[in-house]
Amino acid sequence: NAGVMQNPRHLVRRRGQEARLRCSPMKGHSHVYWYRQLPEEGLKFMVYLQKENIIDESGMPKERFSAEFPKEGPSILRIQQVVRGDSAAYFCASSPREYEQYFGPGTRLTVT
Amino acid sequence: GNSVTQMEGPVTLSEEAFLTINCTYTATGYPSLFWYVQYPGEGLQLLLKATKADDKGSNKGFEATYRKETTSFHLEKGSVQVSDSAVYFCALARLDSWGKLQFGAGTQVVVTP
Repeated sequence: NAGVMQNPRHLVRRRGQEARLRCSPMKGHSHVYWYRQLPEEGLKFMVYLQKENIIDESGMPKERFSAEFPKEGPSILRIQQVVRGDSAAYFCASSPREYEQYFGPGTRLTVT
Repeated sequence: GNSVTQMEGPVTLSEEAFLTINCTYTATGYPSLFWYVQYPGEGLQLLLKATKADDKGSNKGFEATYRKETTSFHLEKGSVQVSDSAVYFCALARLDSWGKLQFGAGTQVVVTP
């Protein structure tokens, strides 16, 4: 059973561009979570999704950030008009049930 | 609000030394508690967990006991190896928002031969 897949692993964007981060959960997992890790900090929760539904987006910035988990295909975290402060590692996790979150390797976003 | 506080790193140890990483939490109710480990360049891996008071989580020689009276979940290992060098994160999840893990800042552990 393949683990949580994230791509790309590294993404470089210029200020003002859009960043799209993809996450494919483990087989059989219908819950997806996104976290952001700023340099020298712990992970901060961003959003929790189930198929076609946003369950908890209390950690998402109010502007420029959006997430989806469609019926088919990976979950997408979209950041519009990126700024330097968006540079971070973005981790996706998935779970089949409560508490057992399995993390992907992360996408490291660099905004130049 | 909820919070998790870990001892600051880096913690540098010699191989076969005893490791303790302190973790205390603040939360309403009875959260579940976790330790995750992050090896360089990788994502987080669940190391162990405990879901109620006095539970002891254990895995790969690591242990942590859920202490409600001291709101703590300290991680211990009796004899570390170089391969244990990583960043360790303590985390909690509340029953009413279990999808939302709340992490401590992480503690870097460096084990030297």
